[in-house]
Amino acid sequence: GQQVMQIPQYQHVQEGEDFTTYCNSSTTLSNIQWYKQRPGGHPVFLIQLVKSGEVKKQKRLTFQFGEAKKNSSLHITATQTTDVGTYFCAGLSGSARQLTFGSGTQLTVLP
Amino acid sequence: DAGVIQSPRHEVTEMGQEVTLRCKPISGHNSLFWYRQTMMRGLELLIYFNNNVPIDDSGMPEDRFSAKMPNASFSTLKIQPSEPRDSAVYFCASSPDRGSYNEQFFGPGTRLTVL
Repeated sequence: GQQVMQIPQYQHVQEGEDFTTYCNSSTTLSNIQWYKQRPGGHPVFLIQLVKSGEVKKQKRLTFQFGEAKKNSSLHITATQTTDVGTYFCAGLSGSARQLTFGSGTQLTVLP
Repeated sequence: DAGVIQSPRHEVTEMGQEVTLRCKPISGHNSLFWYRQTMMRGLELLIYFNNNVPIDDSGMPEDRFSAKMPNASFSTLKIQPSEPRDSAVYFCASSPDRGSYNEQFFGPGTRLTVL
């Protein structure tokens, strides 16, 4: 079955530093989504990428979808304490409606 | 819009008891998903429904777990009998399933503790 790997599992950064999490799929994806889960909260949708090589930005967050549509990354510039949480990628392949979630990257931002 | 509603928010029960988790999806969404989240296994899809019909239940751990969606506005996940290893946060999510755009909206979750 489809597997989605995400690294790193944990990341501690000083406030103001940049942060990147990477996502790799064992199969080609039709699209990839990113979610953020705050401590004690539930996953919240951030963005969806569909096209090969697509890059999308949301303020300090930059999302990329690989050319082969098997990997993706999320980069946060100049982290803030409000960025704390776990970031999940989730891939959709073929005609499936169910997402396969990565294991998540837990981001801690030290003030 | 109230978002996805789950109840109860917290459940503490003893091993062997029946547990029923409830979910009300966002009105108009035609896909509903049940997930389980633990530190060890992360976020796992248990089952999903489309137009109230179970499509994929391959993630359901074993026969002790069952899920129903009797109508478009209500779903239940039942565990009988419950075991301590079932302790986890259970999320329900719904999706409008608009072609290729399938953002999932998660409920607040039910934190289940089985003693």
